[in-house]
Amino acid sequence: NAGVTQTPKFRVLKTGQSMTLLCAQDMNHEYMYWYRQDPGMGLRLIHYSVGEGTTAKGEVPDGYNVSRLKKQNFLLGLESAAPSQTSVYFCASSYLTGGAYGYTFGSGTRLTVV
Amino acid sequence: ELKVEQNPLFLSMQEGKNYTIYCNYSTTSDRLYWYRQDPGKSLESLFVLLSNGAVKQEGRLMASLDTKARLSTLHITAAVHDLSATYFCAVDMDSSYKLIFGSGTRLLVRP
Repeated sequence: NAGVTQTPKFRVLKTGQSMTLLCAQDMNHEYMYWYRQDPGMGLRLIHYSVGEGTTAKGEVPDGYNVSRLKKQNFLLGLESAAPSQTSVYFCASSYLTGGAYGYTFGSGTRLTVV
Repeated sequence: ELKVEQNPLFLSMQEGKNYTIYCNYSTTSDRLYWYRQDPGKSLESLFVLLSNGAVKQEGRLMASLDTKARLSTLHITAAVHDLSATYFCAVDMDSSYKLIFGSGTRLLVRP
């Protein structure tokens, strides 16, 4: 099993450009998440999804949009990138097992906006 | 709103010493998780704590949970260099489906 796969792994964008980050999981998990990680701030939740066709806002949703048209994919879009969106982005998926959620994280996407 | 606070944010310790990382959370939570992250890598799950008084141990790491105090601790015994990493605690609730992280504790174990 591949687990959670994020593409691309690295990207440099110019201010104002748009891009989409793809997260794919092959574990049939219901729940999927997008986080950003900045130095000294831990992981902050951007958006999440509790099932195909659903999305919800997390802690820091501004400037991002998401879609979950298929259960296995969760897309994160930046419509007009800003330098403040320079960060490492992690996708995760989860399922409920034994009274707890088992979270699996992708390897991350390092995004630089210049 | 669920908030998670860790302290210290940075910890430099000598090999062989003991220390504790603290994780406080603001509202009733269903579960408490501990993760490890090495530089440039993803997150590795260490422990999941489900109930008050839960204690789990793996090697030199021991995690505990006090739900009444809304506090979890990660205790390091006789630290070794290989434990150098950033450690995160996180909490979630069935009612919100969100996993919320603390800021992390960067641990450096010196020879």
